[in-house]
Amino acid sequence: GAVVSQHPSWVICKSGTSVKIECRSLDFQATTMFWYRQFPKQSLMLMATSNEGSKATYEQGVEKDKFLINHASLTLSTLTVTSAHPEDSSFYICSAGSGQGYSNEQFFGPGTRLTVL
Amino acid sequence: RKEVEQDPGPFNVPEGATVAFNCTYSNSASQSFFWYRQDCRKEPKLLMSVYSSGNEDGRFTAQLNRASQYISLLIRDSKLSDSATYLCVVNDPLADNTDKLIFGTGTRLQVFP
Repeated sequence: GAVVSQHPSWVICKSGTSVKIECRSLDFQATTMFWYRQFPKQSLMLMATSNEGSKATYEQGVEKDKFLINHASLTLSTLTVTSAHPEDSSFYICSAGSGQGYSNEQFFGPGTRLTVL
Repeated sequence: RKEVEQDPGPFNVPEGATVAFNCTYSNSASQSFFWYRQDCRKEPKLLMSVYSSGNEDGRFTAQLNRASQYISLLIRDSKLSDSATYLCVVNDPLADNTDKLIFGTGTRLQVFP
């Protein structure tokens, strides 16, 4: 299957700082990538759909000014958590689909564990 | 009502046991169905897609009942390495993007020696 990487794999930061997470599709081009957040013992919750060359589509309740998404190329999407606070501590996972329509598999990155002190 | 509902478990079973997980989804227009496996502190990995006719992959069998909006996963001859959380996933038929998925909260399986 296709490979998606994320960097960093974990980050610890102070409250009020901004953190950038990169998601790369290594062996295929992804016009669409998805950003999820997962709190302990909960399911993956979609935060936003990242579209190459256009603005991201955010899910209801997700602040677009706090979670900045940039999808500048077909292999890279970035999520920046601005002015992070302890409640933003979570497991952030990106994924990319192959773009073949229904019955697509989504390929997930290994996730980034963010801890805000 | 949640869009995708699963029994959270945990299911604690001995090695060699057969275990079944169930899942229901709320939108009858969903077209794609999957079971993903997620190990602790790791990303989800696709276990298998689920087709209307039912499908089998080794010890794993998935079934789909569109009329009841019900999906199942059967694991035979459980191994210690099967211990994980199993996520029921369906596509969001209301989304503009056909790749958009909705995840259940997962069912945790613990296989003991």
